[in-house]
Formats: sequence, structure tokens, C-alpha cells
Amino acid sequence: DGGITQSPKYLFRKEGQNVTLSCEQNLNHDAMYWYRQDPGQGLRLIYYSQIVNDFQKGDIAEGYSVSREKKESFPLTVTSAQKNPTAFYLCASSIGDRGEDTFGSGTRLTVV
Amino acid sequence: GQNIDQPTEMTATEGAIVQINCTYQTSGFNGLFWYQQHAGEAPTFLSYNVLDGLEEKGRFSSFLSRSKGYSYLLLKELQMKDSASYLCAVRDGNYQLIWGAGTKLIIKP
Repeated sequence: DGGITQSPKYLFRKEGQNVTLSCEQNLNHDAMYWYRQDPGQGLRLIYYSQIVNDFQKGDIAEGYSVSREKKESFPLTVTSAQKNPTAFYLCASSIGDRGEDTFGSGTRLTVV
Repeated sequence: GQNIDQPTEMTATEGAIVQINCTYQTSGFNGLFWYQQHAGEAPTFLSYNVLDGLEEKGRFSSFLSRSKGYSYLLLKELQMKDSASYLCAVRDGNYQLIWGAGTKLIIKP
């Protein structure tokens, strides 16, 4: 079955550490997205990519980095520059910029 | 700025009907989406409206009025499993998705 796989499901990070969240899709979608979800707030776009080797900053890109070396993969690195990284992170993909987003199961990151 | 408003929380009874409203103010419009999200899980796609009117899909229907910047999601014959958050999202003139904060729906027996 086609879908999006995020790993790990839960992640704990010490302050000052960088961590990388994995996102892989086998839907042959061109576009991929990273969102952050905090309680009581809508999804906020961190980064998105419409095509391999190209990506754009979203609304809250500071303290995050991404790469898109393969169509199937769009990993997100949460750097030590992100001051409040504890959140639920969702990866999504779509056929283009017009279709609906299909989401992965999410990664819950906690800073300890 | 761009904005999407939804009620924070609603309560309904099993077997009843509930309407969840969404109003939006965006720079351009290229469609409105409704998603369902159970606690701790990923959102799942429910419906898409780009033209005015009602789209029906089983127990769920979604309505759009572009002139009023308004949509609603109608859930009929409510079941306990419908307890979830319902997210409204609008694709703006640049085809970016703008998300509402979601409406938490509580179903009581």
C-alpha cells in the first residue's frame, strides 16, 4: 500500500542537540511538506518542496533545515537554534500544489 | 493577514446531526479542505470544495459560499468514532494551505 512513513513516533532531545526526523513516501508525489502542530493552534508550515533538489521556507523555518535529494525522502532537522522545539511534527505530500495533502502518522518531539 | 476561524469545541449526541462552521479571509482562493484528526494521529482528508454549493459524501457533507468566505461541515447520524478534531484549510492565491486551529467535536451517548 502507498503511503507516508514518519519515524520515529516519539523522540526525546536534550537541549543543544540537533535531531533529524525521517519522512518517506511511496506515492510518487512531487510535493512534500513539513508542518508543526501545537495545542490549540492550526498546522504551521515549516518547509516545503515541489521538486527534487529544491525546497522553500514556510512560515516558521527558523531553527529548522531540510533536504530533498530523492523524490521519496524529505528529512527535517531540528537544530539547537530552534528555541521551542517541543511539538507534534507532521510530514505530508501531494501530487502538486492543488491536490489534498496526505499525511504521515507524525513524530512527537520532546526536549528534556 | 490571512485568517481562518472555527469554533474551538462542540458537543453533540450520538445519532444526531452537527454542523461545524468555518469562515476565512485569504489572499485569493483555490479551494477549501476539511480534514478529520483523532487525538495523537495524523489528519485524514474528508472533503474538498472549490465551487459554491454542497458536496455530499456518505454521512458527511461540506458546503461552500465563496462570496461569504464561509464553509460548513455537516455530520449526520453521529457515531462515537466521530469524536475528533475537524480542521478547515484554505488554499490561497499562491496555492499555499492556510489552516484553521480545528474544532474538537465531543460525542455523548
